[in-house]
Amino acid sequence: EAGVAQSPRYKIIEKRQSVAFWCNPISGHATLYWYQQILGQGPKLLIQFQNNGVVDDSQLPKDRFSAERLKGVDSTLKIQPAKLEDSAVYLCASSLVLVNEQFFGPGTRLTVL
Amino acid sequence: GQQVMQIPQYQHVQEGEDFTTYCNSSTTLSNIQWYKQRPGGHPVFLIQLVKSGEVKKQKRLTFQFGEAKKNSSLHITATQTTDVGTYFCADPTNFGNEKLTFGTGTRLTIIP
Repeated sequence: EAGVAQSPRYKIIEKRQSVAFWCNPISGHATLYWYQQILGQGPKLLIQFQNNGVVDDSQLPKDRFSAERLKGVDSTLKIQPAKLEDSAVYLCASSLVLVNEQFFGPGTRLTVL
Repeated sequence: GQQVMQIPQYQHVQEGEDFTTYCNSSTTLSNIQWYKQRPGGHPVFLIQLVKSGEVKKQKRLTFQFGEAKKNSSLHITATQTTDVGTYFCADPTNFGNEKLTFGTGTRLTIIP
């Protein structure tokens, strides 16, 4: 079974630039999550989708972050414009149902200079 | 708001020694999950505990859920170099939205 796919694996941008991350969950997983993991901390949930609907985006900085899952399968997370404090690993995860075991992708390591 | 604290933050042990990490919540949990993240890797699900006082074992790993469902622990017997990583507990309950809130993590390093 293929795991959660993410791209790119690494990205370096300058502050105020834009960046987008892509995630393809495990086939059949209805729930998709985006997490931000700052070095030395645990993952922090940014947004949670159930199919193509948003379940929770309370911790998403909506002035600069946006995410979509238009067809209920793959998803993109965008940051525009990026700030220095956005430097982190962005993890995508998926699960069969809400709150079940989550399967994480390899993450995208973002460095904002 | 809901907080899940883990202690210790770091643990260095000699290979073969035991290791324990503790997870404490300010409120009662419906259940708790544990994940392991290798250096440079992504979190990998280990187990979910649901019942009060539950104890589950996976080879050298023993997971416990407190009677009051406010704390949990992970104990590793006779650590090996493959146990290196950060262990996170995660709370699937938060303000009724059931989003996963990760603990602060315990980073385990093994001295060969």
